[in-house]
Parts: sequence; C-alpha cells; structure tokens
Amino acid sequence: EAGVAQSPRYKIIEKRQSVAFWCNPISGHATLYWYQQILGQGPKLLIQFQNNGVVDDSQLPKDRFSAERLKGVDSTLKIQPAKLEDSAVYLCASSLDIGEAFFGQGTRLTVV
Amino acid sequence: AQTVTQSQPEMSVQEAETVTLSCTYDTSENNYYLFWYKQPPSRQMILVIRQEAYKQQNATENRFSVNFQKAAKSFSLKISDSQLGDTAMYFCAFKMASGSRLTFGEGTQLTVNP
Repeated sequence: EAGVAQSPRYKIIEKRQSVAFWCNPISGHATLYWYQQILGQGPKLLIQFQNNGVVDDSQLPKDRFSAERLKGVDSTLKIQPAKLEDSAVYLCASSLDIGEAFFGQGTRLTVV
Repeated sequence: AQTVTQSQPEMSVQEAETVTLSCTYDTSENNYYLFWYKQPPSRQMILVIRQEAYKQQNATENRFSVNFQKAAKSFSLKISDSQLGDTAMYFCAFKMASGSRLTFGEGTQLTVNP
C-alpha cells in the first residue's frame, strides 16, 4: 500500500514570496490533515478535511494561508505572502474516519 | 479543548536498558484514542503504539508497551531492551473517537547510548 506522498521535500523562499505544497493521501482515506511543526515543537494542526469539506481550520492563519482538497483526494496548502516565522516543516497526514493518522515525509520550508 | 503534556523534553538510556516516557492529557470525553508516534531525523512520523480508551488492557507491540491510567489521564510509554535505532523524538497524541483533530504533545527527545 502506498503511503502519503508530499512534495517538495525542501523549499527555500524569500519573505513576501508565495509557496505551495502538495499532498496525496492514502487511497480511500477520507480525512486529510495539514500540520505545521516548528523546530523543537510538536505538530500543530492547520486544517483538517473530511472528503473535500473543511472540518477544522481554527488555527489556520487565513490572511496568508489557504488550502483546498480537490475532489476529496489530493490537497494543496499555500502561503502568500510568506513570513520569516513560517519557517517550519509542513506535514500532511491522512486517516480513515477513526484510528491513527499516517504521515508523509513532510516539506521543510525555510523563509529568508 | 483537549491538551497533551509531555513533561520530559529530553531523556537518555543505555542500550539494552528500559526507559519510560511520560504523557498526561486533559479531556472531558469518554471515548478517545491515544497514540505514541516516533519521529527520527528523517522527519517521518511513525506510529509506535495505540490505545483505545474503552479497553482496560494496556497495549503492547513487541518491545513497546503502555501504562494507561484512564482516571489519572496518564499514558506512559515503556521501551524495553532499548536499541540505537530507537533514538528519535517521541510524541504522545490524543484523538476523540468521533474523528476530530489529532492533538500532539511537545515531544520527548530520546537518545539511546551505546
């Protein structure tokens, strides 16, 4: 069974630029999560999708972050414009309705 | 809101010995899941073990076992016969059975020394 795929693995951008991350969840998983993990901290949920609907985006900085999940499968997370404090690892995960989440390898973003 | 607390930022253990990582959580719910995830330097978050709150028996996966104390809201991870490959960040996580968000603690960096 293929795992959660994320791209790119690494990204370096200048502040005020825009960036997008892509995630392909495990086939059949209705729930998809995007987490932000700042160095030395635990992952923080940015947004949770159930199929193509948003379940929880309470911690998403909506003035600069946006996410969509096309047709309830792939998802993209966008940051525009980026700030220095957005430097982090962005993790995508998917799960069935209940039980554990399976994670991708993450994208390390550096904003300079 | 649910919170997860890991009070040990760093721990170390000698190879082949046993180590216990602590986790407490706060919730008013009765049906939920608890997890321990391992994150090595490669950043891949890997599930180590899971516990359903309705089960009284503590979960065990090979060298990994938990001590789940529901009344005390405590969920510790015991690693027996520690191996060098166990060196990683370990995160405790909580999820309600209704399919809500997965909430993580701040993590414990475990180092296994040869």
